[in-house]
Amino acid sequence: AQSVTQLGSHVSVSEGALVLLRCNYSSSVPPYLFWYVQYPNQGLQLLLKYTSAATLVKGINGFEAEFKKSETSFHLTKPSAHMSDAAEYFCAVSDRFTGGGNKLTFGTGTQLKVEL
Amino acid sequence: DGGITQSPKYLFRKEGQNVTLSCEQNLNHDAMYWYRQDPGQGLRLIYYSQIVNDFQKGDIAEGYSVSREKKESFPLTVTSAQKNPTAFYLCASNHQGIGNTIYFGEGSWLTVV
Repeated sequence: AQSVTQLGSHVSVSEGALVLLRCNYSSSVPPYLFWYVQYPNQGLQLLLKYTSAATLVKGINGFEAEFKKSETSFHLTKPSAHMSDAAEYFCAVSDRFTGGGNKLTFGTGTQLKVEL
Repeated sequence: DGGITQSPKYLFRKEGQNVTLSCEQNLNHDAMYWYRQDPGQGLRLIYYSQIVNDFQKGDIAEGYSVSREKKESFPLTVTSAQKNPTAFYLCASNHQGIGNTIYFGEGSWLTVV
């Protein structure tokens, strides 16, 4: 079964500093990888996804992630943190099932705090 | 507006009672999902459905039941057999196909007292 591991349940950065949220995956087949963001008491919103095209994926709100097969990683970065980036971030891998569909297996999440 | 609507947003129930959470989507998606979210555990899949009148158990289906009588609707019933039902429940949907984005509703908080 495919899985993802998010290192660091809580990350704190200063406003304007680099954001780096780590995600490592385990998969026996080429994976589809996703990053979602969740604001308090809300659903999840897709930030970006990797589907085996370009290894550097750009998403919304200035975020990007790089797929590194040799490191089995898909870390999320943003050059300059903003107060509005404070939220919980989830990495997910797509599990394939019969019929051609897919379901997501999530990491345990990383809570990002942005300080002045 | 197109999207996924979950209701109610907040629900309180007494222990031993069944409760049904509603999920409706107008995105014409084939597949629908229910996830449970607990602090520090991420999201865990309860049930999913790829097509009307068909659904499969996810990783934590015990104590839950679902139906898929219409393409737009995928209600989740939390039964009295669920030992720890207090949680945040998220409904999601997507078009069939590998790698297709899964979209989420705004979630429902269930508190059992």
